[in-house]
Amino acid sequence: DTGVSQNPRHKITKRGQNVTFRCDPISEHNRLYWYRQTLGQGPEFLTYFQNEAQLEKSRLLSDRFSAERPKGSFSTLEIQRTEQGDSAMYLCASSSRTSGGSYFGPGTRLTVT
Amino acid sequence: GQNIDQPTEMTATEGAIVQINCTYQTSGFNGLFWYQQHAGEAPTFLSYNVLDGLEEKGRFSSFLSRSKGYSYLLLKELQMKDSASYLCAVRDGDSWGKLQFGAGTQVVVTP
Repeated sequence: DTGVSQNPRHKITKRGQNVTFRCDPISEHNRLYWYRQTLGQGPEFLTYFQNEAQLEKSRLLSDRFSAERPKGSFSTLEIQRTEQGDSAMYLCASSSRTSGGSYFGPGTRLTVT
Repeated sequence: GQNIDQPTEMTATEGAIVQINCTYQTSGFNGLFWYQQHAGEAPTFLSYNVLDGLEEKGRFSSFLSRSKGYSYLLLKELQMKDSASYLCAVRDGDSWGKLQFGAGTQVVVTP
């Protein structure tokens, strides 16, 4: 499979717990993005990497959120002390200079109870 | 910041044509994208316009007018499987790669 993959696909957690999601981009893509999507809305940009460098973070990304891409390949997104408002679909996408558009993974659906 | 506006919902009959409009106000511009998203699934890339004019890809076409801050996605020969949300997104000229999305237009295709 040469597409973007994300794990887990679903995560249910209790408020206050920490969660970590993983994204594996398309192998030749050097750019990786995290978005969050709630029902009835378009995806909202969270953060963006070019290779291992995190180039931009949205104001939506509070101190409880951290993302890494240590070797410029896969990326992780961690949410500490989860809140009910964090319940959403977390989407990862990747692109390259020649890919034109960004290609999305299947997403991780987080439910905070 | 950016405002990206598109209609909430459109209904059309199988075999017909539907045009989804998108208007945007941006501080920078580096391309406009259209994505299709079926319920519970990830967005799928459909088209990309960076210059004014029409881009055609099979049954789907996308048009851009940068001076008017306007784009449309044209879906021809509608099929039932085209029932989905269609997302308009602008790539921010200040940040290569980041996309700002509209809320999406839910297209319902009826028999």
